[in-house]
Amino acid sequence: AQSVTQPDIHITVSEGASLELRCNYSYGATPYLFWYVQSPGQGLQLLLKYFSGDTLVQGIKGFEAEFKRSQSSFNLRKPSVHWSDAAEYFCAVGERGSFGNEKLTFGTGTRLTIIP
Amino acid sequence: ETGVTQSPTHLIKTRGQQVTLRCSSQSGHNTVSWYQQALGQGPQFIFQYYREEENGRGNFPPRFSGLQFPNYSSELNVNALELDDSALYLCASSLRVSANTEAFFGQGTRLTVV
Repeated sequence: AQSVTQPDIHITVSEGASLELRCNYSYGATPYLFWYVQSPGQGLQLLLKYFSGDTLVQGIKGFEAEFKRSQSSFNLRKPSVHWSDAAEYFCAVGERGSFGNEKLTFGTGTRLTIIP
Repeated sequence: ETGVTQSPTHLIKTRGQQVTLRCSSQSGHNTVSWYQQALGQGPQFIFQYYREEENGRGNFPPRFSGLQFPNYSSELNVNALELDDSALYLCASSLRVSANTEAFFGQGTRLTVV
């Protein structure tokens, strides 16, 4: 069965600093990979996704992620965070062979706090 | 705004009762998935409906059931509520045309079972 691990439960960074959120997955082949963001009391918003091709993926709000097959990782990065980036971030995998964004398996999330 | 709306926003039920949650999918979308997000956890896939048929189910008991209507809106029904059913329930809609499609999530229904 597929699984997703987000090893950092909570990360605190200063506004303007760089950010990297870690995600490792377990899957028999190359999965579809996603990062979602959830603000308090809100649903999930898709930041970016990897289906195939270029392993460095650009998303919304200045985020990017890099798929590394050898490390089974899909880490999320941002060069300079803004106070509005404070939220919960979820990494997810979708099954190959399905319609990729369906039946997602999510990690437990990383809560991002921004300090002035 | 994703165009996916869920109702109600919040509700409180008593253990043993039954509950129905509703999801109106984004216009033109034919697939709806439901997820349960317990406090401090990531969402867990409950089941999915495509053209009114259940099309995949996660590790949830049969007391979790659903429907999808001809207009592609959907309901999630939970019978014999248990305290552990307290969670945020999210629905996501998508248009099944290719692998590279995006699912859009609603804001969720917060269910509290007391």
